[in-house]
Amino acid sequence: ETGVTQTPRHLVMGMTNKKSLKCEQHLGHNAMYWYKQSAKKPLELMFVYSLEERVENNSVPSRFSPECPNSSHLFLHLHTLQPEDSALYLCASSQDLVQSKNIQYFGAGTRLSVL
Amino acid sequence: GQSLEQPSEVTAVEGAIVQINCTYQTSGFYGLSWYQQHDGGAPTFLSYNGLDGLEETGRFSSFLSRSDSYGYLLLQELQMKDSASYFCAVRDGGGGSYIPTFGRGTSLIVHP
Repeated sequence: ETGVTQTPRHLVMGMTNKKSLKCEQHLGHNAMYWYKQSAKKPLELMFVYSLEERVENNSVPSRFSPECPNSSHLFLHLHTLQPEDSALYLCASSQDLVQSKNIQYFGAGTRLSVL
Repeated sequence: GQSLEQPSEVTAVEGAIVQINCTYQTSGFYGLSWYQQHDGGAPTFLSYNGLDGLEETGRFSSFLSRSDSYGYLLLQELQMKDSASYFCAVRDGGGGSYIPTFGRGTSLIVHP
């Protein structure tokens, strides 16, 4: 148990569906992240929030829309996805962005399949 | 930009010692971290090096040489449960970004 919980663990959706991924952290951290993990590729950073403000957006397609209503919750809203978006989506949190170690605590991920 | 290189796969037997290397290219440098991820699980933090030298945590050690832009993770007394993927990650601090970049990961397979 890492203190970061993601739901759902598995999701199958069609290209015309709209769904949301949820992440909750119980660690009192100020920074939260969304990553995409595809087979044989590095972890791809998608979005970063610090104190509920988005501080990084790595050229992610607009069909992915993040939301951070408070420092404990992070959502990733999905709509009109493509089959190549099928991947493991990982949420992480860290104390903040400036500590030298910046230890990231990851959730177990949502395995997304787009049909 | 940043880039990291690590081997895609390493195999070893139980009880052995294995070293997973990581070389990096960054504009600045704020430390090298290592994470472990079992199949179907979350990546978990293992070790961090901000300065040159060796950091030891039980059976795992991590080494950094900033002049060589190189580090490694050393796993001793290997156990079957050590079979997992291991990722190195660096933070370069460039442009005020303190967010780590991860390598592709090394799949460690431990045989009986």
